[in-house]
Amino acid sequence: QKEVEQDPGPLSVPEGAIVSLNCTYSNSAFQYFMWYRQYSRKGPELLMYTYSSGNKEDGRFTAQVDKSSKYISLCIRDSQPSDSATYLCAMSGATGAGSYQLTFGKGTKLSVIP
Amino acid sequence: DSGVTQTPKHLITATGQRVTLRCSPRSGDLSVYWYQQSLDQGLQFLIQYYNGEERAKGNILERFSAQQFPDLHSELNLSSLELGDSALYFCASSVTSGGYNEQFFGPGTRLTVL
Repeated sequence: QKEVEQDPGPLSVPEGAIVSLNCTYSNSAFQYFMWYRQYSRKGPELLMYTYSSGNKEDGRFTAQVDKSSKYISLCIRDSQPSDSATYLCAMSGATGAGSYQLTFGKGTKLSVIP
Repeated sequence: DSGVTQTPKHLITATGQRVTLRCSPRSGDLSVYWYQQSLDQGLQFLIQYYNGEERAKGNILERFSAQQFPDLHSELNLSSLELGDSALYFCASSVTSGGYNEQFFGPGTRLTVL
């Protein structure tokens, strides 16, 4: 079992739709939870960050973390064609060496059709 | 633009060869991370350096090595290349190493091994 599981899609939705993306994980040491967006042939860029369990909202985006279920999600409201990208969940927690490297899901490719 | 630069953008080489990928972190960032992104494995952490010292190792092959120089730029050396090493290699940087620090990703180097 991989540490982080994410449905790779692809996911295709009409403009204006609500999109829900999610990941599950197995490592209880993860404390920090992130969503990165990656456009084609570009590096990932941070979209949302959440510490421990809870919700966080930023404009059209809402991130949720449920540590008891080891489940995180990202909701995109009123989706736009510019949201078309690959969305990667990422997690980190202290390793023995004090490093906080990121463990990523495989990414979900989203296409928003005008 | 994340402020992280990577060279070269593309690299095409043959099996058995050796290549060097270069990364310059954002100004002020002391920590450099290397990741490999392939279609089947997704984005995987390879190695981290902090202020010139190796801090953590992930799924890095023995044929691969890295270092961080006094000016904080980093190089990833890949030797005895195999077809399976073809991937996107990303460098990321952050201010420190402990706790949560946003990692800023470079544009990546696309390596093709023929």
